[in-house]
Amino acid sequence: ILNVEQSPQSLHVQEGDSTNFTCSFPSSNFYALHWYRWETAKSPEALFVMTLNGDEKKKGRISATLNTKEGYSYLYIKGSQPEDSATYLCASHHGSSNTGKLIFGQGTTLQVKP
Amino acid sequence: EADIYQTPRYLVIGTGKKITLECSQTMGHDKMYWYQQDPGMELHLIHYSYGVNSTEKGDLSSESTVSRIRTEHFPLTLESARPSHTSQYLCASQSHRGNTEAFFGQGTRLTVV
Repeated sequence: ILNVEQSPQSLHVQEGDSTNFTCSFPSSNFYALHWYRWETAKSPEALFVMTLNGDEKKKGRISATLNTKEGYSYLYIKGSQPEDSATYLCASHHGSSNTGKLIFGQGTTLQVKP
Repeated sequence: EADIYQTPRYLVIGTGKKITLECSQTMGHDKMYWYQQDPGMELHLIHYSYGVNSTEKGDLSSESTVSRIRTEHFPLTLESARPSHTSQYLCASQSHRGNTEAFFGQGTRLTVV
């Protein structure tokens, strides 16, 4: 059974603070690492999909890095805003592109106070 | 906007009833997934399919069954609902390439009384 671990489980920050979360995954047979944002009463939406060791991706104030050799990814939020409050999920895709499956971590719930 | 739909959104049903949760997507995606989430817990993969007539069980054992007769449709069935099946069920689809994003339905919140 694949184990994808996220930390911390929850985080409370003040508006303007920068924050980061960690996702750990098995490095064997790795194919891709996904990050999703899940806001209350909505469906999870993709932030990033990364495949290569050393990959860095950025979308506005949010960025992510990937280390496939040691099996971890970081998600950074610069200058958190109340609208960033959500649960952030990472998912690891192992095996072949066609037949592999997405396994999710337990998520990090971020609360940004104005 | 994602074209993946789940029905019903909410369902309250009595113990012993047979139920089918529907999931449809119009993106032509080969892969489809069913995840189960209890409150405050992670998304657990219970079933997935990587094409028509292919279904596999996920990491979390489930008494539900699925079928994939058409690319766009991936229904989940519980032959005899029990209170332990009370949970949120999320359907997702993804193209055949694992490095593309998955799209999620709105979820079905099932309560078995």
